[in-house]
Amino acid sequence: QVQLKETGPDLVQLTQTLSITCTVSGFSLTTYSIHWVRQPPGKGLEWMGAMWNGGGTDYNSAFKSRLIISRDTSKSQVFLKMNSLQTDDTAKYFCARHYYSPFDYWGQGVMVTVSS
Amino acid sequence: DIQMTQSPSSLPASLGERVTISCRASQGISNNLNWYQQKPDGTIKPLIYYTSNLQSGVPSRFSGSGSGTDYSLTISSLEPEDFAIYYCQQDASFPPTFGGGTKLELK
Repeated sequence: QVQLKETGPDLVQLTQTLSITCTVSGFSLTTYSIHWVRQPPGKGLEWMGAMWNGGGTDYNSAFKSRLIISRDTSKSQVFLKMNSLQTDDTAKYFCARHYYSPFDYWGQGVMVTVSS
Repeated sequence: DIQMTQSPSSLPASLGERVTISCRASQGISNNLNWYQQKPDGTIKPLIYYTSNLQSGVPSRFSGSGSGTDYSLTISSLEPEDFAIYYCQQDASFPPTFGGGTKLELK
C-alpha cells in the first residue's frame, strides 16, 4: 500500500542546516510528485516546495534562497535540506504525494525544534 | 500569492448536527479548491478535490460547493470521528496555499 515516512532530527541548532528524508513505498517517484508542507505548532499549513515526477523542482519564494529538494529514485527517497534555521522554523514537516489534485497521501510528519 | 481565508476558525457543534465551513480566496480560483481533514493525532487526509468531488473512501455526509472566490465544506450529520481541523487549499495558482484552518469541536 501507499506509504510515506519522514525521518529527521528532533532538534536542530540555530543557524544550522535541517535535513529530512521522505521514504515512500507503494508507488514510483517517476510517476508521482512529492511536496513538502510544514506546520508550526498550533498553526496552519505552509507549502514549501516540490520534487516533480520528472525530476524538476519548485520552491515557495519564502524559502527559495535556503531550501533544496532532491531525490534518489533508486531508494524511493526525497530529501529536504534547509539552511540558516531560525526559531520560527520550528514546525512539523510533512511530505505528501501529488498527481493531479489533491495531495492524496501524507506522511505522519516529523516535528523539528530549532534551539538556541 | 493567493490568500485563503477560512471561517469560522473554531466551530462548536453537537453530534448529528449539520455544519458548514467557509473558505474565501483573495481572487478567483476557478473551482481549484481542495479540502483536508487533520485529526488530533496530526494525520492529514484529503476529503474533497476540485470543489465538490469526494476523495475515495470519504463518507457521503461530506460535501463541497462553491465557485469564483467563495467555497464551502458541509458535513450533513456529525459523527464522533469528524471532530478535527479542516483546511481548504487552492491549486489554481502557484504556489498552492492553504486556509488557516477550522477547528470543529464538540459542544
